[in-house]
Amino acid sequence: QKEVEQNSGPLSVPEGAIASLNCTYSDRVSQSFFWYRQYSGKSPELIMSIYSNGDKEDGRFTAQLNKASQYVSLLIRDSQPSDSATYLCAGLYTGTASKLTFGTGTRLQVTL
Amino acid sequence: GAVVSQHPSWVICKSGTSVKIECRSLDFQATTMFWYRQFPKQSLMLMATSNEGSKATYEQGVEKDKFLINHASLTLSTLTVTSAHPEDSSFYICSARGDRLDEQYFGPGTRLTVT
Repeated sequence: QKEVEQNSGPLSVPEGAIASLNCTYSDRVSQSFFWYRQYSGKSPELIMSIYSNGDKEDGRFTAQLNKASQYVSLLIRDSQPSDSATYLCAGLYTGTASKLTFGTGTRLQVTL
Repeated sequence: GAVVSQHPSWVICKSGTSVKIECRSLDFQATTMFWYRQFPKQSLMLMATSNEGSKATYEQGVEKDKFLINHASLTLSTLTVTSAHPEDSSFYICSARGDRLDEQYFGPGTRLTVT
């Protein structure tokens, strides 16, 4: 089992809709999670971090963490074409070295 | 947020030559730096982790003699791709972390093309 798993997509949503991105993780990943956005040809950009069970909101973005079910999600409200990108879920690996372990990313397409 | 720079942003080299990529943390001290590689339409692959003043820790399958990493100061790490071959052509991204384990900042990446 991969440590962090995501559906590769593409996930297509119309402009103005809510985009829901999901990620599951294994026991080897700690309870610190991060969502990165990566535009084609660019490096990842941190959008949200979440450490506690529940929801965390920042503008149009809401991260949700459910420890019991071992999943993390990112909701994007009022999706815009500029949100079209690949979204990477990452967790902090709890092995001997503290390092981020990334999912394969979900490609989001916001259509007009 | 903190700023991490990389130089060069892109480089083209001939097969058999070596290429050095620099990663700098501009406004914080990076006790740990990470080097990733990303092939088109694939996710980030961690190559190695380096701590200032010590040898880098390489991920399984990454040749340490081919990808030389030096982290000589708290603001600079370098990745040297030795005897580059076309299959080394990729997008190389560094990231830097200070004292907080949950704060990791990415550089803009270096696109390497080996002809």
